[in-house]
Amino acid sequence: QSALTQPRSVSGSPGQSVTISCTGTSSDVGGYNYVSWYQQHPGKAPKLMIYDVTKRPSGVPDRFSGSKSGNTASLTISGLRAEDEADYYCCSYAGSYTYVFGTGTKVTAL
Amino acid sequence: EVQLVQSGAEVRKPGESLKISCKGSGYSFTSYWIAWVRQMPGKGLEWMGIIYPGDSDTIYSPAFQGHVTISADKSISTAYLQWSSLRASDTAMYYCARRENWFDPWGQGTLVTVSS
Repeated sequence: QSALTQPRSVSGSPGQSVTISCTGTSSDVGGYNYVSWYQQHPGKAPKLMIYDVTKRPSGVPDRFSGSKSGNTASLTISGLRAEDEADYYCCSYAGSYTYVFGTGTKVTAL
Repeated sequence: EVQLVQSGAEVRKPGESLKISCKGSGYSFTSYWIAWVRQMPGKGLEWMGIIYPGDSDTIYSPAFQGHVTISADKSISTAYLQWSSLRASDTAMYYCARRENWFDPWGQGTLVTVSS
């Protein structure tokens, strides 16, 4: 099980949109609609932002959205805000009750 | 409120044993899998394994199989992660999280430091 591939960092000006990619294989991202995304601020536990590829938990702002095409999932933050600066991780089901996380992406608001 | 509360930070020497805990509340503890996730200093999240407290069915990541043991005591709604012989490379933050096909909520984390 290799980690899913994410860009090390993405940045944008406040108000802009940024997109984080998460590339796996047909055995994980491409094989199941069970991709989730987590936000982690320094020194804090991860927080669920997106589940089942596109669904947003109650309380998560609608500027966060998810999508998937083939073996690549994406998280888009529309209207970037200073408080969105954090590390973001994707996660995919990989069959047989196993999961794999992405390598993580640092989002910076310039 | 669904909540997972983990035990406090630990410091051990290489070769020592350790068991950390994760107590669930606000939901039926036996009806949801609990996952353990490692985060080494300055690094990303790594999925270690999951346990179903209802029957203690356990699945491990190949990367951690044989080095850690995941267990649960459903009578006290608590899951555990344990080592019989710690290594310096086990120094990390360890999180538990409730699993559906995503992980939510998460515990606050337990920092394990292994140093001679």
